[in-house]
Amino acid sequence: DTGVSQDPRHKITKRGQNVTFRCDPISEHNRLYWYRQTLGQGPEFLTYFQNEAQLEKSRLLSDRFSAERPKGSFSTLEIQRTEQGDSAMYLCASSLRLAGRGETQYFGPGTRLLVL
Amino acid sequence: QKEVEQDPGPLSVPEGAIVSLNCTYSNSAFQYFMWYRQYSRKGPELLMYTYSSGNKEDGRFTAQVDKSSKYISLFIRDSQPSDSATYLCAMSASSNYQLIWGAGTKLIIKP
Repeated sequence: DTGVSQDPRHKITKRGQNVTFRCDPISEHNRLYWYRQTLGQGPEFLTYFQNEAQLEKSRLLSDRFSAERPKGSFSTLEIQRTEQGDSAMYLCASSLRLAGRGETQYFGPGTRLLVL
Repeated sequence: QKEVEQDPGPLSVPEGAIVSLNCTYSNSAFQYFMWYRQYSRKGPELLMYTYSSGNKEDGRFTAQVDKSSKYISLFIRDSQPSDSATYLCAMSASSNYQLIWGAGTKLIIKP
C-alpha cells in the first residue's frame, strides 16, 4: 500500500503527558499537512511543510504543539503537556505541489487521541 | 459566519435515490473545489476535484460548481448503502492551497 500512513492509530494518555504521532506521506509528495478533527466538524488546519520547510502554522495552534519533517519525508507531531481539549482525530495529508498546477491532498487514516 | 457552510444532516434517503449534497461559501477567491467522503473513524477520501465553474462526472458522482452563486453540489445517482458516510466539501484559493472545509453532511442510505 503506497498511501499515507499514520502511527499510532489510537492513543490514550493522561493529562499532562507528552505524545508524538508519526506520518509517512506518499513517497513522491513534497507537501505534508497536519489537521485536527473533532466530532461533527471538518478538519482544522494545523501546519504544513513543503519538503523539510514548515511554511505555515495555524494561529490557533498552541505552543504545546510542534511538528517536524527533518528529511522532507516522514513527519512527527508532538503535543506537550496534553489537555483534555486536545482529544481529537489528528489527520495527516500529503500532496504533490507543482508550479502552476492545482494540488490534491491525500489523507491518512488518522490518529485518534483521547486525553483522560 | 463561517467561510464554508454545509448542512450537517443527517440526510436519510432510500437505496437507489438520487442524493444532492451542497455547500455555500463566501470567499470569491476560491478556485479549487473538492468533495471528500469520510467513513466513521477513517480519514477523508477524495471523491471529486474541480477547478473553477462547471460540472464534472465520475461514475455515479457528479460535481457542480456555480461560482456566481458561490454554491457547489455533489450528486450521487443510484445511491447504495455503502455510500453511507459523511461528505465533506473543501475549497482553496489559487494563491494559497490551504483547504477550507465544510463541517460535513452525514448521509444515510437505507436498504
